[in-house]
Amino acid sequence: NAGVTQTPKFQVLKTGQSMTLQCAQDMNHEYMSWYRQDPGMGLRLIHYSVGAGITDQGEVPNGYNVSRSTTEDFPLRLLSAAPSQTSVYFCASTGDTEAFFGQGTRLTVV
Amino acid sequence: ELKVEQNPLFLSMQEGKNYTIYCNYSTTSDRLYWYRQDPGKSLESLFVLLSNGAVKQEGRLMASLDTKARLSTLHITAAVHDLSATYFCAVGSGGYQKVTFGTGTKLQVIP
Repeated sequence: NAGVTQTPKFQVLKTGQSMTLQCAQDMNHEYMSWYRQDPGMGLRLIHYSVGAGITDQGEVPNGYNVSRSTTEDFPLRLLSAAPSQTSVYFCASTGDTEAFFGQGTRLTVV
Repeated sequence: ELKVEQNPLFLSMQEGKNYTIYCNYSTTSDRLYWYRQDPGKSLESLFVLLSNGAVKQEGRLMASLDTKARLSTLHITAAVHDLSATYFCAVGSGGYQKVTFGTGTKLQVIP
């Protein structure tokens, strides 16, 4: 039972490069979300999805795109990375009462 | 817009002492979560509180919820070094879909 699998764990990007953070869950949860964690600011919601084909913006969506073609997968795309996107990113999958988090991706944009 | 405030932001305490972390939130919510995060790690779910007056306990940690006051507390009893971590409260809204986090409380328990 893998739970929430998030890849990669670490990534360094140059400004302007693009990349996709992968997130997959095997719990058949409808609701999935992406957060970023910055020092002193807790976790802030980037985008979320309430089911396949349905996504919406969270608190800090600018610079990020998402899609949800299947229940299992919810990738996060950075189209043109900026230093302000240096952060730790967490994917979460939410069941009836509890959210399960991936292991996180530490992203540095230079 | 839902706002979640936690205090204190940093807490240094000696082993064996008791202390309480407070979590205030600004709008009506239907659930309150507490998480623990160790350095460089992901978030570990501690408690889910679903109704007014809910109280849950696990070992030296006890969480409670007062929905009328929009306040949750995480009480630490007879702290031990292993409890050193950052603790987050998070508030659910819009059903459970949107979860808004507090800024976290970094707890350091000194032997």
